[in-house]
Amino acid sequence: TQLLEQSPQFLSIQEGENLTVYCNSSSVFSSLQWYRQEPGEGPVLLVTVVTGGEVKKLKRLTFQFGDARKDSSLHITAAQPGDTGLYLCAGEKVRTGANNLFFGTGTRLTVIP
Amino acid sequence: GAGVSQSPRYKVAKRGQDVALRCDPISGHVSLFWYQQALGQGPEFLTYFQNEAQLDKSGLPSDRFFAERPEGSVSTLKIQRTQQEDSAVYLCASSLWEEAGNTIYFGEGSWLTVV
Repeated sequence: TQLLEQSPQFLSIQEGENLTVYCNSSSVFSSLQWYRQEPGEGPVLLVTVVTGGEVKKLKRLTFQFGDARKDSSLHITAAQPGDTGLYLCAGEKVRTGANNLFFGTGTRLTVIP
Repeated sequence: GAGVSQSPRYKVAKRGQDVALRCDPISGHVSLFWYQQALGQGPEFLTYFQNEAQLDKSGLPSDRFFAERPEGSVSTLKIQRTQQEDSAVYLCASSLWEEAGNTIYFGEGSWLTVV
């Protein structure tokens, strides 16, 4: 059972188009992280957002953390074939003696040249 | 190397066989995590170590799964009497501290196929 639902699950777009991926939960998280995973590799961290309402930009990628810290979005402007991959959001819950990352269901993006 | 190293990268096991998956975290990292990732899914938490202490094993799917980190560095995930539903990528990750927002680094994973 995964606490975070991502949508869409699959996305295929033409080079140059914009897209948004959503990550939703009914749980509150201390931070929200976005990862990209290439085939045969482990997830690689793109960004961490900590404050409700926070917006971070990484070149053509814009990440937003919801005000209530339950949801997040990733917006890509002018997508390029190099953006192709599996995008994962992960919410962090801090408990005494441990911190856990709960991953979303993933969005597989294909950018067609 | 400087990253999290896992071995073997690929393992094919016959149903009923025992397997052991090894993780070498980044040197000095206190926290170590194991995740299971089924095909087309996001990783799911299995267990967490802080140094040699296994503080959370709530994600282990059955008593056939066992993990250890006896000296607080290298960790081994053992699966006994493997079944087909155990086929997945097993990801190990480590982080320097256990504080919130700390960066977690993933290995490339061990791909297990049970036939």
